[in-house]
Amino acid sequence: DIQMTQSPASLSASIGDRVTITCRASQTISSYLNWYQQKPGKAPQLLIYAASTLQSGVPSRFSGSGSGTDFTLTISSLQPEDFAAYYCQQSYIIPPTFGQGTKVEIK
Amino acid sequence: QVQLQESGPGLVKPSQTLSLTCTVSGGSISTGGHYWSWIRQHPGKALEWLGYINNSGTTYYNPSLKSLVSISVDTSKNQFSLELSSVTAADTAVYYCARGRLVRPHKWFDPWGQGTLVIVSS
Repeated sequence: DIQMTQSPASLSASIGDRVTITCRASQTISSYLNWYQQKPGKAPQLLIYAASTLQSGVPSRFSGSGSGTDFTLTISSLQPEDFAAYYCQQSYIIPPTFGQGTKVEIK
Repeated sequence: QVQLQESGPGLVKPSQTLSLTCTVSGGSISTGGHYWSWIRQHPGKALEWLGYINNSGTTYYNPSLKSLVSISVDTSKNQFSLELSSVTAADTAVYYCARGRLVRPHKWFDPWGQGTLVIVSS
């Protein structure tokens, strides 16, 4: 299986901050990388697919980049509704695997 | 817009079979390019893909659980189902159904059901 490692595991940030979350794959996955947001007690929701394509309806303050083994999710200006957990997921080979998550908390 | 809803027992005894159903509304389960999926999340932990079935009835399972997992589809009811046999306490988790979307060459999971907590306990 491909291991997905996210960093940091958690972070504290203030409204308006720029936030960056990284995801590293244990082998190259080209751009087969998706990002999800999960709020407490809710199901994950797709934010970005194919490493950098914003899902319809997702605010433009979210962006994704990277290719190969290293990927980044950036929130350009953190909003109150962005406090949540974020997960990366590779779709390069079966089984699809997820990172362990990054929890974004209020400073 | 497509919506998914899980249903099934919230409590299962050890060694028994966990059975869940996902009802799809707002679209046909027979539409091509979709992989109807089951994913679980242990309390406070990461997400684990269990398997999926496509519109042709072809199944793909996580090798770590392959002999224990079975996914089937009932197109007449627009539903798909999960069976996980010989459960233990380690199978206690929130179980999600999700639509795997294929837009070649990429796949992703969207949307997801709200999730259902299954506790394995005697």
